[in-house]
Amino acid sequence: AQSVDQPDAHVTLYEGASLELRCSYSYSAAPYLFWYVQYPGQSLQFLLKYITGDAVVKGTKGFEAEFRKSNSSFNLKKSPAHWSDSAKYFCALEGGSNYKLTFGKGTLLTVTP
Amino acid sequence: DAGVTQTPRHEVAEKGQTIILKCEPVSGHNDLFWYRQTKIQGLELLSYFRSKSLMEDGGAFKDRFKAEMLNSSFSTLKIQPTEPKDSAVYLCASSLINQDTQYFGPGTRLLVL
Repeated sequence: AQSVDQPDAHVTLYEGASLELRCSYSYSAAPYLFWYVQYPGQSLQFLLKYITGDAVVKGTKGFEAEFRKSNSSFNLKKSPAHWSDSAKYFCALEGGSNYKLTFGKGTLLTVTP
Repeated sequence: DAGVTQTPRHEVAEKGQTIILKCEPVSGHNDLFWYRQTKIQGLELLSYFRSKSLMEDGGAFKDRFKAEMLNSSFSTLKIQPTEPKDSAVYLCASSLINQDTQYFGPGTRLLVL
């Protein structure tokens, strides 16, 4: 079985601060990990993914994420945050060979100007 | 290139009705996914097709939900009969075979009264 946990349902911070959204996963083998973003009223957009190689992966819109096998985490980071980053962020895991994604419940990020 | 398209964007149904949601994947994509998104459950996989073959039918959704892929560029999701608990946003996503990034459509917001 595989699962993804995003422990923070809602994160609020001021523009200019550093943001870090937490994601932990459970999977018995090497996972493929993703972050997607959903802006208000829109569908999900791909941000970045980790397949193998460097633990820090860079994505679109200035985001990066760090894969830590030691504690099964894949946290999303950006500095500084901008008000336009306000959205819901989903962490996802692909395990096995069927290309199926398991999503976390999402973290709603509010960046106050 | 056109992205994933879904129709209708909004649907209102009476309990017990049959509704059909439509999806056109990105041209050339071989994998197609149907998800249901609710605030409480988050994103749940309903069906997954690879090259028009049904790979997964979402287990718990089998009894009233049926997805079909009539050709490589068109898929439908039928809900029969609808129940109020089916009110949700239904998302379609596609990806290239052996690629990991899924591209999401705008979704269909379904309200069952």
